Amino acid sequence: RKEVEQDPGPFNVPEGATVAFNCTYSNSASQSFFWYRQDCRKEPKLLMSVYSSGNEDGRFTAQLNRASQYISLLIRDSKLSDSATYLCVVNEWNNAGNMLTFGGGTRLMVKP
Amino acid sequence: GAVVSQHPSRVICKSGTSVKIECRSLDFQATTMFWYRQFPKKSLMLMATSNEGSKATYEQGVEKDKFLINHASLTLSTLTVTSAHPEDSSFYICSARPALVTTGGLSSSYNEQFFGPGTRLTVL
Repeated sequence: RKEVEQDPGPFNVPEGATVAFNCTYSNSASQSFFWYRQDCRKEPKLLMSVYSSGNEDGRFTAQLNRASQYISLLIRDSKLSDSATYLCVVNEWNNAGNMLTFGGGTRLMVKP
Repeated sequence: GAVVSQHPSRVICKSGTSVKIECRSLDFQATTMFWYRQFPKKSLMLMATSNEGSKATYEQGVEKDKFLINHASLTLSTLTVTSAHPEDSSFYICSARPALVTTGGLSSSYNEQFFGPGTRLTVL
């Protein structure tokens, strides 16, 4: 069983649409959670952290449900530039300290 | 923001040769650096955790004798793919965790990592 699971998509949406991505994680001891964005052939870039109380950054809203081990990302008023792969990332501890575990990513394509 | 560079950005080599990839933190010190590998349409998989001045910790299934990691300074970690084969062709990405200055000396910040731009390796 994968440690961090996401629907790979692709999600094809028109400009202006609202789209939501979900992610589940298996390790209940996970410490913290993030959404990263990765463009084709580029490195991942931090989009936002995810807090239990939920947090919003402009058109992006992230939520965490620790009881269900579930994380979500909502994008409102989609722009063409939002087209990318969105990676759900969980911070965990291993014997070398803490580490990031990446989900497989959800691909979003915003069409004009 | 913190900047991490990787060199080279792209490399093509013949099967059997060794390739060295450098990861540098340009404007901060990093006690810990991470090496990831990403195959096409797959997610990043952690290969190893590199701590300055000590041996790297490898993830299960990653051969330490094949992927040599050296973290000799607080701003540089290198990954050497030895005797590369076509199946080693992949996108290799490093990340660096900034060091915190504490009364006890340098330690790693809790969880922030900054990623390099990646190195695309093609083995013919």
